[in-house]
Amino acid sequence: GNSVTQMEGPVTLSEEAFLTINCTYTATGYPSLFWYVQYPGEGLQLLLKATKADDKGSNKGFEATYRKETTSFHLEKGSVQVSDSAVYFCAPEPLGGGADGLTFGKGTHLIIQP
Amino acid sequence: NAGVTQTPKFQVLKTGQSMTLQCAQDMNHEYMSWYRQDPGMGLRLIHYSVGAGITDQGEVPNGYNVSRSTTEDFPLRLLSAAPSQTSVYFCASRGQGYTGELFFGEGSRLTVL
Repeated sequence: GNSVTQMEGPVTLSEEAFLTINCTYTATGYPSLFWYVQYPGEGLQLLLKATKADDKGSNKGFEATYRKETTSFHLEKGSVQVSDSAVYFCAPEPLGGGADGLTFGKGTHLIIQP
Repeated sequence: NAGVTQTPKFQVLKTGQSMTLQCAQDMNHEYMSWYRQDPGMGLRLIHYSVGAGITDQGEVPNGYNVSRSTTEDFPLRLLSAAPSQTSVYFCASRGQGYTGELFFGEGSRLTVL
């Protein structure tokens, strides 16, 4: 099955700093890749996705590029805000959808200080 | 749309007690699942269902039962609660044939004393 490695943190940055959260995965073939975000006290919600190699997913100023040669899907944002404080999860999709669902990384806790 | 609704949001149980966490979705999604979230462990899949009448085990099914009598509802039952089941539980759903995006409920925080 698929597996994911991402830094757990907490990662603490100052407002307007540049953000990178690394994500590498192991999978059969070339799965779709996702980043989910969990704000305090809430469930997870989809942040962005990429469905094939070299695709770039983007949303809310965040970006991630599907790199099949390095099996990575690093999340970046040029200038973070306090409201970006949350836990971020990387998740590859099993090929063909996968009835048993996504494999989530352990999550990266991001703290943005004013 | 309400999306995915979980009840209760908080629950405290004593060891050995039973309870049911409720999950309902109004998006006509075929796929539903239950995850538990623990510090340092991320999200782990407990049980899932690909349609009414069909359920299967995930990564950590022991101590939990599920059933899927309707498309909308997917309750999670703890028959005899144990302290190891103290966790935050999330229900999620997605449409048939649509890969990827899961829609999550807000979570149910369970404490077993």
